[in-house]
Amino acid sequence: EIVLTQSPGTLSLSPGERATLSCRASQSVSSSYLAWYQQKPGQAPRLLIYGASSRATGIPDRFSGSGSGTDFTLTISRLEPEDFAVYYCQQYGSSLTFGQGTKVEIK
Amino acid sequence: EVQLVESGGGLVQPGRSLRLSCAASGFTFDDYAMHWVRQAPGKGLEWVSGISWNSGSIGYADSVKGRFTISRDNAKNSLYLQMNSLRAEDTALYYCAKRVATGGYFDLWGRGTLVTVSS
Repeated sequence: EIVLTQSPGTLSLSPGERATLSCRASQSVSSSYLAWYQQKPGQAPRLLIYGASSRATGIPDRFSGSGSGTDFTLTISRLEPEDFAVYYCQQYGSSLTFGQGTKVEIK
Repeated sequence: EVQLVESGGGLVQPGRSLRLSCAASGFTFDDYAMHWVRQAPGKGLEWVSGISWNSGSIGYADSVKGRFTISRDNAKNSLYLQMNSLRAEDTALYYCAKRVATGGYFDLWGRGTLVTVSS
């Protein structure tokens, strides 16, 4: 099973700042089969990024994904108030597994 | 409206059974694989089980294998999860999720149904 480790656990930033979230896999994720989701309290997860770097429909371009192999990054270029949430990565190259999440909180 | 609506959760004693349902609407249900993903209180997401469009391919997480059974009824646009021999660690919000046609990620989620296993 591919284990995904997200860091940091919590990111404290101010609106307008840049957020960089990391997702590291225990083994190579084939064909960059990695997705990112955003989850707000009391809500279901929302797909942001798939294929490591493709934005889902309706996702603002301040969200970007990058990486390959075992190291992946989600970047939010300028944090908007609605971006404070928990973010999960998910690999789908070998079965399906999720990272433990990174909380982006207001500093 | 494109949506998934889960139901069937509740409080159940350890060792008992529960059946979850997910009603799909607004899209062609039998074109897509469907999955269950759960989230224990205050914790992260855990994939539970998935089923292909025609029920020909089914998978389970090791944590539920042999206890849970996924199924679907395309005529009723519905997905199910039969959960037997429930344990305290199965306590979670159970989400129904639609897998995209071309990959193993999820583009539509329900709001979830809460399962609490406790005596």
